[in-house]
Amino acid sequence: EVQVVESGGDLVQPGGSLKLSCATSGFTFSDSPIHWFRQASGKGLEWVSRVGSKADSYAATYAASVRGRFTISRDTSKSTAYLQMNSLKTEDTAVYYCASYSLHSTPPWRWGRGTLVTVSS
Amino acid sequence: DIVMTQSPDSLTVSLGERATINCKSGQSVLYSSNNKNYLAWYQQKPGQPPKLLFYWASTRESGVPDRFSASGSGTDFTLTISSLQAEDVAVYYCQQYYGPHPTFGQGTTVELK
Repeated sequence: EVQVVESGGDLVQPGGSLKLSCATSGFTFSDSPIHWFRQASGKGLEWVSRVGSKADSYAATYAASVRGRFTISRDTSKSTAYLQMNSLKTEDTAVYYCASYSLHSTPPWRWGRGTLVTVSS
Repeated sequence: DIVMTQSPDSLTVSLGERATINCKSGQSVLYSSNNKNYLAWYQQKPGQPPKLLFYWASTRESGVPDRFSASGSGTDFTLTISSLQAEDVAVYYCQQYYGPHPTFGQGTTVELK
């Protein structure tokens, strides 16, 4: 069974740091790009970051709103991806979702249940 | 970025009636080499994560009731609920995954009349 499970969400002060984890199982982790999305309360879904697969040398990309503050990474040995969030702002407050994508999988998208990040003093 | 625009923003439908949601992309999401539309539909209920309903524009995810259908190609897509049930009250999103990164429509809220 495929599983995608986020963890690490917490209450943090503005300017602080937090590291989210995305633990996966049930599929070939190294073949699947991993994305982070977020959703502020009452708002829509926003793409945050992507780390590629072995096929594209695990290339990382970021939304303009987080570039330079967030770093995505992955550990193939643990089938886990991470999102290091630094210099957090109040507008980063959201539920953060991890999702795996694979062109050749059915379905191609698999999402976790999310983890809440609250940035507040 | 590929801009996704849904219409309407909200929809009020009676039990058993049809609900139709449209989604338009700013550029084609049809990949010619495999003839697949890189378009998905999600349902989200309060306090829950998005639930995948359809991918490749019209492939129904396992377990999704057949009163849900999806169609379209290129830039114009439609999600239809043929006979609305109480449990279908939710926000629905379209998502393209053709571009350099995924983008979503603003969401359509489906409510009961």
